[in-house]
Amino acid sequence: GAGVSQSPSNKVTEKGKDVELRCDPISGHTALYWYRQSLGQGLEFLIYFQGNSAPDKSGLPSDRFSAERTGGSVSTLTIQRTQQEDSAVYLCASSLYGATNEKLFFGSGTQLSVL
Amino acid sequence: AQSVTQPDIHITVSEGASLELRCNYSYGATPYLFWYVQSPGQGLQLLLKYFSGDTLVQGIKGFEAEFKRSQSSFNLRKPSVHWSDAAEYFCAVGAGANNLFFGTGTRLTVIP
Repeated sequence: GAGVSQSPSNKVTEKGKDVELRCDPISGHTALYWYRQSLGQGLEFLIYFQGNSAPDKSGLPSDRFSAERTGGSVSTLTIQRTQQEDSAVYLCASSLYGATNEKLFFGSGTQLSVL
Repeated sequence: AQSVTQPDIHITVSEGASLELRCNYSYGATPYLFWYVQSPGQGLQLLLKYFSGDTLVQGIKGFEAEFKRSQSSFNLRKPSVHWSDAAEYFCAVGAGANNLFFGTGTRLTVIP
């Protein structure tokens, strides 16, 4: 597609439920990132995928968070047993090669609200 | 450890006035520095970036930023603000492999 697409744009869930957030990166981009943006906080790095390499999961806040990227394209971020502190905007970004000096292309995010 | 500080949470300027958004970073080597803008309902968009060379970099929408190594700063400037510049601005430092560290952002309000 023309840009990074994320779905859903908004998700309201009850505490304890599992949620899946989807990211469709720009076609041909080998690198994909997930960030979390909480109120009053900066963007918090969650996970990074680059081609067929093992993902960098160093930013995942707990084992309730996981992500996968199928076929080197679409990625799904899963949060199990959601907690109220998981409420945030989850942003996905992609870049062509994943180099540190590259421009990231961001999606519009998924606003997650855990009641 | 790498970090980015944006000391101003919220700035209000009049349309046509000049603007400077502050950014300080902490990193042991020469950093890659970025400014991103997040307009309401939109994804983050890159304004400009610094890697090396000329310390004054020009970006889109009339923005510029100056890298000052001695001050560990990368402040964003614009000589004349437009109402459409109202947004959230994020400074980021590229450090190590595969990661950007973002500041907490500065929200810009533009008044007529």
